[in-house]
Amino acid sequence: QLQLQESGPGLVKPSETLSLTCTVSGGSISSNSYYWGWIRQPPGKGLEWLGTIYYTGSIYDNPSLKSRLTVSVDTSKNQFSLKLSSVTAADTGTYYCARFLKGGWYSDVWGQGTLVTVSS
Amino acid sequence: DIQMTQSPSSLSASVGDTVTITCRASQNISKYLNWYQQTPGKAPTLLIYAASRLHRGVPSRFSGGGSGTDFTLTISSVQPEDFATYYCQQTYNTPPLTFGGGTKVEIK
Repeated sequence: QLQLQESGPGLVKPSETLSLTCTVSGGSISSNSYYWGWIRQPPGKGLEWLGTIYYTGSIYDNPSLKSRLTVSVDTSKNQFSLKLSSVTAADTGTYYCARFLKGGWYSDVWGQGTLVTVSS
Repeated sequence: DIQMTQSPSSLSASVGDTVTITCRASQNISKYLNWYQQTPGKAPTLLIYAASRLHRGVPSRFSGGGSGTDFTLTISSVQPEDFATYYCQQTYNTPPLTFGGGTKVEIK
């Protein structure tokens, strides 16, 4: 059974870079059937798609993040990562990693989520 | 970007009721519409994809319909475990993928 697990600091200072990693277990990140990506949720609010990567390194990202986002993949470790630069309090929220079906773009497997707070 | 508008933002229902949630897209998205359920403190889970296709393991009391700009999620005979927040998501024009604002289904 495929599982995703987010890891990274729970507290980041304003203007610094938020870094998270998602470890994929029970399956290969190098599957040609799926993309892998990130979705976040501010406290008490809705869902926002951040970005998605294919195992070859092809990336789709949300233009609203104004080039602050970097998504990368490490097939040797079966992991993918997110870096969000110049964070502010508005970047506080729960960050989920997820699997996206290629072609349909829906997310059928999600990590449990990790809360990241931006505060000095 | 394609905007997704859900209505209502919240509703109250009793166990056994039929509940319908609406999602409207700002432009034609064909059937590229998915529905997710989220309970407090948990990650969302996929219910329906491609507007009307039930994800494996999802009870048949959930159904989806619509195409173009107007879509519905119906829960027939709501059960206690169905009280949650529901989100629609369009995947027609990517990037970006966009979600509706959510509909919270509460117990009456």
